[in-house]
Amino acid sequence: GQQVMQIPQYQHVQEGEDFTTYCNSSTTLSNIQWYKQRPGGHPVFLIQLVKSGEVKKQKRLTFQFGEAKKNSSLHITATQTTDVGTYFCAGTAYSGAGSYQLTFGKGTKLSVIP
Amino acid sequence: DSGVTQTPKHLITATGQRVTLRCSPRSGDLSVYWYQQSLDQGLQFLIQYYNGEERAKGNILERFSAQQFPDLHSELNLSSLELGDSALYFCASSPHPAGENTGELFFGEGSRLTVL
Repeated sequence: GQQVMQIPQYQHVQEGEDFTTYCNSSTTLSNIQWYKQRPGGHPVFLIQLVKSGEVKKQKRLTFQFGEAKKNSSLHITATQTTDVGTYFCAGTAYSGAGSYQLTFGKGTKLSVIP
Repeated sequence: DSGVTQTPKHLITATGQRVTLRCSPRSGDLSVYWYQQSLDQGLQFLIQYYNGEERAKGNILERFSAQQFPDLHSELNLSSLELGDSALYFCASSPHPAGENTGELFFGEGSRLTVL
């Protein structure tokens, strides 16, 4: 079945440093989504990328979708303590018999040291 | 507030027991997804319903079952509980059916199940 790998599993950064998490799929994706889960909270949608090579920015966050639509990355510039949480990618891929499945990566847990 | 309501928020029970988790999706959303999140684990997809019909099935154990009712709320039934079933169970809703464009999922706050 479809697998979505996400690295690193954990990342500790000093406040002000940059942070990147990477997502790789075993199959070609129709789209990829990114979610953020604050400690003790629930996942909250950040963005969806659909097109090959797409790049989207949200303030200090930059999201990329690979040319082959099998990988993606989230880059945060100049991290702040409010960025703390776990970032999940979730890819949609065809799973057969006319169905598509959304599969989440295991997430990258970001800690920011003030 | 995502608009998705899950009850109960916390549940403590014993091995071998059965529990029911309930989810009310956002107003107008026809799709309901169930996910299991264990400690330091990702979101394991269990099952999805769209307008009362099962649309996609993930790694859901045979001891688990779910359904979506005509009013669109959904219930996840967990039976013959084992210690390893202790986890946070999330429900999410979306206006879209399972398809190429899933669209944004709106997650509830989760039901934390502890099996002793």
